[in-house]
Amino acid sequence: AQTVTQSQPEMSVQEAETVTLSCTYDTSESDYYLFWYKQPPSRQMILVIRQEAYKQQNATENRFSVNFQKAAKSFSLKISDSQLGDAAMYFCAYRSAIGGATNKLIFGTGTLLAVQP
Amino acid sequence: DTEVTQTPKHLVMGMTNKKSLKCEQHMGHRAMYWYKQKAKKPPELMFVYSYEKLSINESVPSRFSPECPNSSLLNLHLHALQPEDSALYLCASSRAAGQHFLVDTQYFGPGTRLTVL
Repeated sequence: AQTVTQSQPEMSVQEAETVTLSCTYDTSESDYYLFWYKQPPSRQMILVIRQEAYKQQNATENRFSVNFQKAAKSFSLKISDSQLGDAAMYFCAYRSAIGGATNKLIFGTGTLLAVQP
Repeated sequence: DTEVTQTPKHLVMGMTNKKSLKCEQHMGHRAMYWYKQKAKKPPELMFVYSYEKLSINESVPSRFSPECPNSSLLNLHLHALQPEDSALYLCASSRAAGQHFLVDTQYFGPGTRLTVL
């Protein structure tokens, strides 16, 4: 069974600085998707970034980028130029690329990010 | 447009009440999901509908009854709930394509905060 681990329950960053959130996963599959979701205090889960495992190039969305290391099964999220609005719980998630009823999003336990002014 | 709407935002109910949660999306997605989320925990999958048919029931107690009247609407009927059912209930949707119906990004609604007295 696949697992997702986020080893940092809480992190803090100064406004305008850069922070990296770590995520590791365990799978025997070769084709899958990885996601970072953000859940601010308003509680809506928002997709931050998505990575397909078959792509070697790291995904980037504006100030958000990932460092995807397939061999190491690592998928970290880098937030550049941190803003107060980035304060949220961040969940890393895994999903197999194989369809079917057993295919589910597998979430990590989350990292609570605080942004200091 | 990646909007999923949920009503009501907040719901307080007694253990003998019957209530319903509503989720709606107009993105043409054919897979819809119900999740339950406790504070500071990742979402837990409850149900998945694909093409208006129930595809996954994660052994959820029968006091939760899902319904998918059409491709845009998903309901969760609640009856005889327990205080431990108090949580944030999240709806999500994604595109569906045959047997690979879960192989796509899920977009979440803002959730319904449920309190059972």
